[in-house]
Amino acid sequence: EVQLVQSGAEVKKPGATVKISCKVSGYTFTDYYMHWVQQAPGKGLEWMGLVDPEDGETIYAEKFQGRVTITADTSTDTAYMELSSLRSEDTAVYYCATGEMATIGGYWGQGTLVTVSS
Amino acid sequence: QSVLTQPPSASGTPGQRVTISCSGSSSNIGSNTVNWYQQLPGTAPKLLIYRNNQRPSGVPDRFSGSKSGTSASLAISGLQSEDEADYYCAAWDDSLNGPVFGGGTKLTVL
Repeated sequence: EVQLVQSGAEVKKPGATVKISCKVSGYTFTDYYMHWVQQAPGKGLEWMGLVDPEDGETIYAEKFQGRVTITADTSTDTAYMELSSLRSEDTAVYYCATGEMATIGGYWGQGTLVTVSS
Repeated sequence: QSVLTQPPSASGTPGQRVTISCSGSSSNIGSNTVNWYQQLPGTAPKLLIYRNNQRPSGVPDRFSGSKSGTSASLAISGLQSEDEADYYCAAWDDSLNGPVFGGGTKLTVL
């Protein structure tokens, strides 16, 4: 059974950095890209970026460029999303999801709530 | 402001057929395939339709997708109460070099 298990909820102060993990099981980690998607409270889905676990290549959305770092650790089958210089607008649920480059996919993590508050 | 445009809401009665539209441009829907996602309240999104009209295993054939030019549609036939959810379209955008989403459509089953 494919599973993507994300780390728990975080509370951060403005200006801080958060790092969320996404541990996969049930499939070969390097066979699919890993995407990260942001969903602010009551809002829609916004793509943040992706990593190719096979070679570590990344693509980031322009909105998050410079603040987001997505990595993949093939020794632990875990992907990470780090977001820096946090502001209140970054309060959201963050999802990891497998897929092809152009198709966010078949399997999603359960989501991680990040709250940014002073 | 989302790159892809969806109606904010849609509704129907049980058994009815409803469609949700998704409008884009030549850099996204016009040149790439469209995917649809269903998000039930309080849960992660689920891939409902990929490559315009393909259903992943387990998705009922009541759900169908189509694409024409720079627009796409999701149709749900035989509407059921459990279909009440938010629906999102998405497509790769060649100009932005990444996937873009619609703003989402909240489907209410009356």
